[in-house]
Amino acid sequence: QKEVEQNSGPLSVPEGAIASLNCTYSDRGSQSFFWYRQYSGKSPELIMFIYSNGDKEDGRFTAQLNKASQYVSLLIRDSQPSDSATYLCAVNRVQGAQKLVFGQGTRLTINP
Amino acid sequence: DAGVIQSPRHEVTEMGQEVTLRCKPISGHDYLFWYRQTMMRGLELLIYFNNNVPIDDSGMPEDRFSAKMPNASFSTLKIQPSEPRDSAVYFCASSGLVGPQYFGPGTRLLVL
Repeated sequence: QKEVEQNSGPLSVPEGAIASLNCTYSDRGSQSFFWYRQYSGKSPELIMFIYSNGDKEDGRFTAQLNKASQYVSLLIRDSQPSDSATYLCAVNRVQGAQKLVFGQGTRLTINP
Repeated sequence: DAGVIQSPRHEVTEMGQEVTLRCKPISGHDYLFWYRQTMMRGLELLIYFNNNVPIDDSGMPEDRFSAKMPNASFSTLKIQPSEPRDSAVYFCASSGLVGPQYFGPGTRLLVL
């Protein structure tokens, strides 16, 4: 079992809809969770991080964490074509970003 | 802030040659990370430093790879001798004691 698993996609969502990206992790001791966006040919760019169970909202983005079920998700509301990218989930055993373990990423396409 | 700076942005070399990749982290960050990204293996952590000291190099694939951080504002990743399977995008990232990692633009390496 991979430490961090994501559906590789591609996930296709119509413009204006909600895109839902999911990530599961195997280490119950994980404490911090990050979502990065990566456009083709570019470097990963931080979108959000979450440390506590529940929801965390930032603009059109909401991160959801459920430690009991060992999953973290990212919701993108009012999806735009510019949201088309690969989304990487990353996990760490301690609070903070040292030695992140990354999932393989989910490729998201927003269709106009 | 200028962000993480990497050079060169692109490198094409022949098998057997030495390759040196360079990174300047964000000023004030305590941690520096070297990653490699390929389609097959995704984003892999090679090595990371804390306060210029290597903490974990378990991801370094072979003895052909070496990394140094002589001071807080500079790090190198060296491959000697290079092989075609080393072709990938190499990212440097940095972070503070807590908080997320920020990635540089990457070096796209092609070994012929």
